[in-house]
Amino acid sequence: ETGVTQTPRHLVMGMTNKKSLKCEQHLGHNAMYWYKQSAKKPLELMFVYSLEERVENNSVPSRFSPECPNSSHLFLHLHTLQPEDSALYLCASSQEGTGQFNYGYTFGSGTRLTVV
Amino acid sequence: TQLLEQSPQFLSIQEGENLTVYCNSSSVFSSLQWYRQEPGEGPVLLVTVVTGGEVKKLKRLTFQFGDARKDSSLHITAAQPGDTGLYLCLKVNTDKLIFGTGTRLQVFP
Repeated sequence: ETGVTQTPRHLVMGMTNKKSLKCEQHLGHNAMYWYKQSAKKPLELMFVYSLEERVENNSVPSRFSPECPNSSHLFLHLHTLQPEDSALYLCASSQEGTGQFNYGYTFGSGTRLTVV
Repeated sequence: TQLLEQSPQFLSIQEGENLTVYCNSSSVFSSLQWYRQEPGEGPVLLVTVVTGGEVKKLKRLTFQFGDARKDSSLHITAAQPGDTGLYLCLKVNTDKLIFGTGTRLQVFP
């Protein structure tokens, strides 16, 4: 299997549930990201992991908790979410060079999350 | 907050028509990337432009990077239904990556 794989593709959860989103990349990239895509808003960067260490957290609420156990896997743990957290959650990976980003992101297909 | 404006926001056209979408910023880019996101999928990288004034072609798609490196355009010739999707530009600076607001394109047969 190649590319970036996200599971599940769709998730409906209640506000008191705990769930996790999974992302796996088979590209040998050294950086992984979580993005949130809502209707009528630009893509919002949530978390960045470079070489398995978190390097950026864009003021994301604590009800979202990322985990990067190795360079190929990334999780987003969810608990006590709100209806406004309903969105498409995209995972991406990239090969970071010496401060350049010319190779771009490879995105997964996303998890469509609905909080009820 | 840095803003990367794309225009138009929405575009509905018939197959065979030409179109241009724009990506504009108030500040200079190091480089810029264009992505297309089809319904139900993640964005896919189309091109990276690096040099001011650069023009790149990808089949029926022509990408241009402004001379001042503050804007870019994507021109599609003879659009096809398979071009339908959300077109996103990504501003690349050494310390920041910023996505544009997006242009949603619908091409009808």
